Amino acid sequence: KQEVTQIPAALSVPEGENLVLNCSFTDSAIYNLQWFRQDPGKGLTSLLLIQSSQREQTSGRLNASLDKSSGRSTLYIAASQPGDSATYLCAAANDYKLSFGAGTTVTVRA
Amino acid sequence: GAVVSQHPSWVICKSGTSVKIECRSLDFQATTMFWYRQFPKQSLMLMATSNEGSKATYEQGVEKDKFLINHASLTLSTLTVTSAHPEDSSFYICSVPYNEQFFGPGTRLTVL
Repeated sequence: KQEVTQIPAALSVPEGENLVLNCSFTDSAIYNLQWFRQDPGKGLTSLLLIQSSQREQTSGRLNASLDKSSGRSTLYIAASQPGDSATYLCAAANDYKLSFGAGTTVTVRA
Repeated sequence: GAVVSQHPSWVICKSGTSVKIECRSLDFQATTMFWYRQFPKQSLMLMATSNEGSKATYEQGVEKDKFLINHASLTLSTLTVTSAHPEDSSFYICSVPYNEQFFGPGTRLTVL
């Protein structure tokens, strides 16, 4: 069974600082890995999708890397803004089933 | 990407009643949809896989007689929480796989 762990559970930084969110998974036979954003009481917003054959994906200030062999993915958010405050979830896909981590709750202080 | 809707967005019901939640794929025909549950301050847990034309597949520990899933068409899956109890209060969210997974906005269920 796939187990996904996210560290840290919570992170508070001043505006402008870069963020590093870590995700690890136990079963490296993944189809892809997705990073999501979830605002309080809301659904999921897909941020980045990394296919199993890829090493990284970038979208604006967001960059996600994937090391399938070691079971790790990292989400980098550059020059953080208060609007980046949310919970970030990573999810590993095995046969289209997603296993989610518990998330990292980010607070960016103005 | 696929656009997924859910209805209702929130519902409050009395203990013992049944509640139906709809998940619609608005622009894509989905033979498979997934149902997840998220308790407060916890992550999403896969409950079941909804299959068009066949029975749903439930994850270990999920009661199939309590959480009835019907994949009525290629664009609609419904989750019925039968005889709901306060411990069923949760955020229910569906997804449609289309290269990646596209999620609905979720349904907040509160059982009094």
